[in-house]
Amino acid sequence: AQSVTQPDIHITVSEGASLELRCNYSYGATPYLFWYVQSPGQGLQLLLKYFSGDTLVQGIKGFEAEFKRSQSSFNLRKPSVHWSDAAEYFCAVGPSIHNNAGNMLTFGGGTRLMVKP
Amino acid sequence: DVKVTQSSRYLVKRTGEKVFLECVQDMDHENMFWYRQDPGLGLRLIYFSYDVKMKEKGDIPEGYSVSREKKERFSLILESASTNQTSMYLCASSFRDEQYFGPGTRLTVT
Repeated sequence: AQSVTQPDIHITVSEGASLELRCNYSYGATPYLFWYVQSPGQGLQLLLKYFSGDTLVQGIKGFEAEFKRSQSSFNLRKPSVHWSDAAEYFCAVGPSIHNNAGNMLTFGGGTRLMVKP
Repeated sequence: DVKVTQSSRYLVKRTGEKVFLECVQDMDHENMFWYRQDPGLGLRLIYFSYDVKMKEKGDIPEGYSVSREKKERFSLILESASTNQTSMYLCASSFRDEQYFGPGTRLTVT
């Protein structure tokens, strides 16, 4: 069965510092990979996604993520964090074969990011 | 912009009550999903629907049922609410492999 692990439950960084959020997955085939962000009181918003091709993907709000097949990882990065980035971040993996379950995603437990002024 | 709306942001119900959570999407998406979100557990799939009147169980369907009579609307039903169903409930719809989420309903069962 597929699974997603986000090892860090909480991370605190200073505003302006760089950020890396870790995501490891277990999946039997070539995965589709996603990062979502959830601001307080809001639903989830897609930051970026990887389906194929270039393993470094760019997303919204200055985020990027790198797919490393050998490490089964899809870590999220941002070079300079802003106070407005404080939120909860979810990594997710989905099937690449479309059937009735083709759109199903498995989510990690989330990483809560706090930003110090 | 895709819009997914949920009928209530906050709901307080008593143990044993029947609870309906409604979700509506405006983009003619085939697939719709109900998740519950609990701290440290991320999102867990309760049910999903890939067409009108079609549904499949997710990872944690016990204690829940769903209804999809129209393409744009997907309802989650708690037949007899219990305190362990206190949670945040998120609805989503999808186009291809990207899911679009509603704002969530925080349900408290007392």
